[in-house]
Parts: sequence; structure tokens; C-alpha cells
Amino acid sequence: TQLLEQSPQFLSIQEGENLTVYCNSSSVFSSLQWYRQEPGEGPVLLVTVVTGGEVKKLKRLTFQFGDARKDSSLHITAAQPGDTGLYLCAGAGGSNYKLTFGKGTLLTVNP
Amino acid sequence: DTAVSQTPKYLVTQMGNDKSIKCEQNLGHDTMYWYKQDSKKFLKIMFSYNNKELIINETVPNRFSPKSPDKAHLNLHINSLELGDSAVYFCASSRPSGGPQETQYFGPGTRLLVL
Repeated sequence: TQLLEQSPQFLSIQEGENLTVYCNSSSVFSSLQWYRQEPGEGPVLLVTVVTGGEVKKLKRLTFQFGDARKDSSLHITAAQPGDTGLYLCAGAGGSNYKLTFGKGTLLTVNP
Repeated sequence: DTAVSQTPKYLVTQMGNDKSIKCEQNLGHDTMYWYKQDSKKFLKIMFSYNNKELIINETVPNRFSPKSPDKAHLNLHINSLELGDSAVYFCASSRPSGGPQETQYFGPGTRLLVL
């Protein structure tokens, strides 16, 4: 069974601060996806990383896939209240690329 | 233009009842999924269908039965509801290639509360 550990579970910061969320596993994944979920809604894909060592940027968000494709990080620069939400990492593996989700990081950015 | 829609959004019912949740996608996708998100926000896959054929069936009680009348619909029927079934159920869809880069599009969720 592939498991993904996300940390921290909760994060409350002030507007303008930087933060990093981690997603770790002992398993190798074909790809790793990051989703953001707002209250009352379904998760929405932010990015997919496929190649070991890959770095992708989405405005103030930087995503990195570990060299061994077992872990990933999400770094947010100068966080804003609009970044508040549940951030989920999900690894794709197996013959059918089933997604295994981490338990999420609930981020609150206070104005 | 709703991409993945679910009905109902809220479902409150008594233990022992049978209920169904419906899902429809208008994205032209061949693959659809059901996920369960518990009170701690942990999202776990339950089933996946590709063009009406079951391809993923996780360890889910057989009280849960998915039905796909066509590739745009994947319904979830739950028999003999139990307290532990209370959760948010998400439907999702993706293109059929099944590659590691496929995006899954999630519906808004159905909040099930079993009393």
C-alpha cells in the first residue's frame, strides 16, 4: 500500500510570510499532483510533476518533485488570505495510475 | 457550465436506509471515480470506471454499489446505511489515457449524514 505523509497538518500564518508544505513517501510515484480544496467544494488541481527533480512555478507557488520521485514540496512566497485552503498532495502509481492522497495541510493566512 | 455535477449536495438519513448519489460529467471523459472524504479531510478512492467498466475497486463494503449507465454518469448506491458512512462523497472524472499526468476534475461533493 502506498502512503503519503503530509506535513504540517495545520498551518496558520500572517499575510506576507513564506511557507513550505511537505509530502513524503517510501514509495516511488509515476507523478505527483497538488490540489487545493476550498470549504464546500471539491479539490482543484494546481500542478502535476512527473520528472525526478522537476520544479514548477505557478505565480507565488513553487512545486518540487524529489529526485527519487518519493517526495514533493510546495512553497508559497508572500502568502495572501486568498491562499487559505486545504492543500492535498496525491501520488499516481500502479498500472492504472490510481491516485493516493495525503491527509492534507489546512492553511490559514490571516490578514 | 458545470463540468462535474453531483446530486444531492446534502443527504441526511436514518441508519439502515438505502440511498443513491448521482454524478454526471459533461467533459466527454471516459473515466469516472468515487472518493470518500472523512471528517479529518482524508480523501480515499472507492471506485473507478473506464467507459462503463469497473477498473478500480478498493476495499469497500459491498453495501456500496456503483452503477454506470453510460460513460457520462456514475451513480453510487448505498444499502443499509451505517453511522460510519457519514462523510463527503466526491465524484471525479478524467480523460481515458490513464497516464500519470491526467487531471482529475472533482464535483462539489455530497455531504452524507447518517443519524
